Amino acid sequence: GAGVSQSPSNKVTEKGKDVELRCDPISGHTALYWYRQSLGQGLEFLIYFQGNSAPDKSGLPSDRFSAERTGGSVSTLTIQRTQQEDSAVYLCASSLAGRVPEAFFGQGTRLTVV
Amino acid sequence: AQTVTQSQPEMSVQEAETVTLSCTYDTSESNYYLFWYKQPPSRQMILVIRQEAYKQQNATENRFSVNFQKAAKSFSLKISDSQLGDTAMYFCAFKLGGATNKLIFGTGTLLAVQP
Repeated sequence: GAGVSQSPSNKVTEKGKDVELRCDPISGHTALYWYRQSLGQGLEFLIYFQGNSAPDKSGLPSDRFSAERTGGSVSTLTIQRTQQEDSAVYLCASSLAGRVPEAFFGQGTRLTVV
Repeated sequence: AQTVTQSQPEMSVQEAETVTLSCTYDTSESNYYLFWYKQPPSRQMILVIRQEAYKQQNATENRFSVNFQKAAKSFSLKISDSQLGDTAMYFCAFKLGGATNKLIFGTGTLLAVQP
């Protein structure tokens, strides 16, 4: 597609439920990032996928968080047993890496845990 | 480890004036990239400007320019002729060269352009 697409745009879930957030990167982009942004705050790095390399999971806050990237394209961020502190905007970005290293962002998914 | 520091949580500027946002970074590497991103209230992150570390010339994009001081590890953003639409959160970001290195962001500066 023309840009990074994230779905859903908004998600309200009950505490304790599992949620899946989806990211469709720009076609051909080998690198994909997930970030979390709490209201009025900066970007908290979660996970980074680059080609066939093992993902950098150093930012995942707990074992309730996991992400996968299938076929080097679409990525899903899964949060199990959601807690109220998980409420935030989850941003996905992709890049070509290499000589064109800038990342392009999706609109984000606003997750609200009630 | 690489770090990015933005020491100004909030700034304000009058419309049509010039404002400079500060960013410093820390790395021992020589091959890297620096970026400024803008995030308006719509929350869409937009790339404003990019600088390659090996280039001595400061990057410029219309009203946006940077002052890249490699020895001082400083990368400030200057916005000239500020417009109301420039109101946004601005993030400085760093990336080492090489495909396996991730993008690292500063904590952001909230810029308010006053009419």
